Amino acid sequence: DSGVTQTPKHLITATGQRVTLRCSPRSGDLSVYWYQQSLDQGLQFLIQYYNGEERAKGNILERFSAQQFPDLHSELNLSSLELGDSALYFCASSALGWNTEAFFGQGTRLTVV
Amino acid sequence: DAKTTQPTSMDCAEGRAANLPCNHSTISGNEYVYWYRQIHSQGPQYIIHGLKNNETNEMASLIITEDRKSSTLILPHATLRDTAVYYCIVRDNYGQNFVFGPGTRLSVLP
Repeated sequence: DSGVTQTPKHLITATGQRVTLRCSPRSGDLSVYWYQQSLDQGLQFLIQYYNGEERAKGNILERFSAQQFPDLHSELNLSSLELGDSALYFCASSALGWNTEAFFGQGTRLTVV
Repeated sequence: DAKTTQPTSMDCAEGRAANLPCNHSTISGNEYVYWYRQIHSQGPQYIIHGLKNNETNEMASLIITEDRKSSTLILPHATLRDTAVYYCIVRDNYGQNFVFGPGTRLSVLP
């Protein structure tokens, strides 16, 4: 158990809909990362937050947004969903600093039908 | 883009040491090398990281060359449960995101 909790584990929704994925970081970790992994694809970095502020942005679509709340949990909002958005979405958390490891949750599997 | 190159796949016999190489020739002086693995579609699992000295923990050893341009992850006694995709990552010097490349698919064979 990494200590990072993601909910829900599975999500099935229709095209055009909007969903919210939730991540609770490990206790004490201020930094949260979101990644997308499509079928048989690599892990694509989406966005990073540190203590409520956006710190780095990757290849995140404009239809996607995220935020980190004062209690440090984070949400990834995906809107106007397309079939191609079907993927595993992982959250990770770490302390700040380049000598700190990140721990990943078990992911949310999103299926858009 | 990932700053590392790794072989696409490797095989290892169960019980033998698995040595996974990684090239990171453009690494900067204060960038760390991290190793993660992903078993099937589970969340990536942290293995080990280091700057320039060799590191060892309960899972693996990390050997970094003196010029820091390459490293090797060693699983001393591979088991079938070590079958996974192994990712070598050079983390940027602001301690920001972890950029994953394609990794090495390690198959441990009975």
